[in-house]
Amino acid sequence: DQQVKQNSPSLSVQEGRISILNCDYTNSMFDYFLWYKKYPAEGPTFLISISSIKDKNEDGRFTVFLNKSAKHLSLHIVPSQPGDSAVYFCAAVTGGYQKVTFGIGTKLQVIP
Amino acid sequence: DSGVTQTPKHLITATGQRVTLRCSPRSGDLSVYWYQQSLDQGLQFLIQYYNGEERAKGNILERFSAQQFPDLHSELNLSSLELGDSALYFCASSPAISGANVLTFGAGSRLTVL
Repeated sequence: DQQVKQNSPSLSVQEGRISILNCDYTNSMFDYFLWYKKYPAEGPTFLISISSIKDKNEDGRFTVFLNKSAKHLSLHIVPSQPGDSAVYFCAAVTGGYQKVTFGIGTKLQVIP
Repeated sequence: DSGVTQTPKHLITATGQRVTLRCSPRSGDLSVYWYQQSLDQGLQFLIQYYNGEERAKGNILERFSAQQFPDLHSELNLSSLELGDSALYFCASSPAISGANVLTFGAGSRLTVL
């Protein structure tokens, strides 16, 4: 049972445009959400997070939106840069101990 | 360099064999997590340790075991290996045991079972 779903395996965007990566979840007990970025031959690195009590969190070019009623979150990258080309993992956390559930990732390619 | 060190980076072995993957957490982090990433799969949570004690278990097979030592490094033991165990194994660490802590990942150990 995949509780965190990233239905788009890949996405191509022109440099300077907006990249929108989507994530859906099924477990209403998730109360914290994170995005990780992964380059080849490296481990995932933390990008941005959002608490379930918020609907938006912004950090520079990266903004995460949370729609709890739809159990949907999205990551917006504006403007997209070639260095943003990576695999992006959506992750969700339930309260209490740190159990982090990851999606399968979306490979973003930003075309110069 | 994330501060989380995993060895070996690559490992090729045969079915039925046993291997040990090692992880040194970031300095000061007490929690260690193990994840498996198979082809076209997300990061599957295997197990978590906090200050030497097992704290959470995920989809870890009985053929797999792990432990965290007093110096906080951790080892993941995989035995009776099967072809399907071929995957990237990531270790991650965090400062505490609960709450919305950010995990810091190592670069992973790629296991190939032939």
